[in-house]
Amino acid sequence: GEDVEQSLFLSVREGDSSVINCTYTDSSSTYLYWYKQEPGAGLQLLTYIFSNMDMKQDQRLTVLLNKKDKHLSLRIADTQTGDSAIYFCAERGYGGSQGNLIFGKGTKLSVKP
Amino acid sequence: NAGVTQTPKFQVLKTGQSMTLQCAQDMNHNSMYWYRQDPGMGLRLIYYSASEGTTDKGEVPNGYNVSRLNKREFSLRLESAAPSQTSVYFCASSEERDRGATNEKLFFGSGTQLSVL
Repeated sequence: GEDVEQSLFLSVREGDSSVINCTYTDSSSTYLYWYKQEPGAGLQLLTYIFSNMDMKQDQRLTVLLNKKDKHLSLRIADTQTGDSAIYFCAERGYGGSQGNLIFGKGTKLSVKP
Repeated sequence: NAGVTQTPKFQVLKTGQSMTLQCAQDMNHNSMYWYRQDPGMGLRLIYYSASEGTTDKGEVPNGYNVSRLNKREFSLRLESAAPSQTSVYFCASSEERDRGATNEKLFFGSGTQLSVL
């Protein structure tokens, strides 16, 4: 079945770049997503990329997609303490998942001052 | 803008008790979802409702029931709570759930932290 894998933790210093990586299994995924969860809150859509794109940039965020390797990454430039959160990669599942989003386990980003 | 509202925010139950988690959205969305979030497990889909009047099982439906009361409201019921159901529960909604190549954005509530003793 579909699966989305992420490393669980990442620690960076304020001002550095953060890179959060994700691998997915469903080659038919058309959209891939990054959601952000701040402490005590629900998930919020951060950004997304369509599968025919290699890169998408949105201010400090850069999403890179390597469709051949089924690898997605989120780069946060000039990371701030306010970026500390859990970041979830997600893909749309097909077949048994009936089109619902499949989430990774989340990467907890800690930003040290 | 309220978005997706969940109640209660916190709940403690004893094993065997029942309760209903409430969820309402004011965005006129067609699709609604219930997820549970456990440490190291990410989000797992319990049930979803693609449109008013329909509900379907997700990845982990056992021990739960749902009701899509109307377009706005989607409730999750635990008939006989078990310690394994201790979790944080999130309701979410989206404009349209489509099996095709559409960009489906989910909007989440702030969660219900449930402990079953």
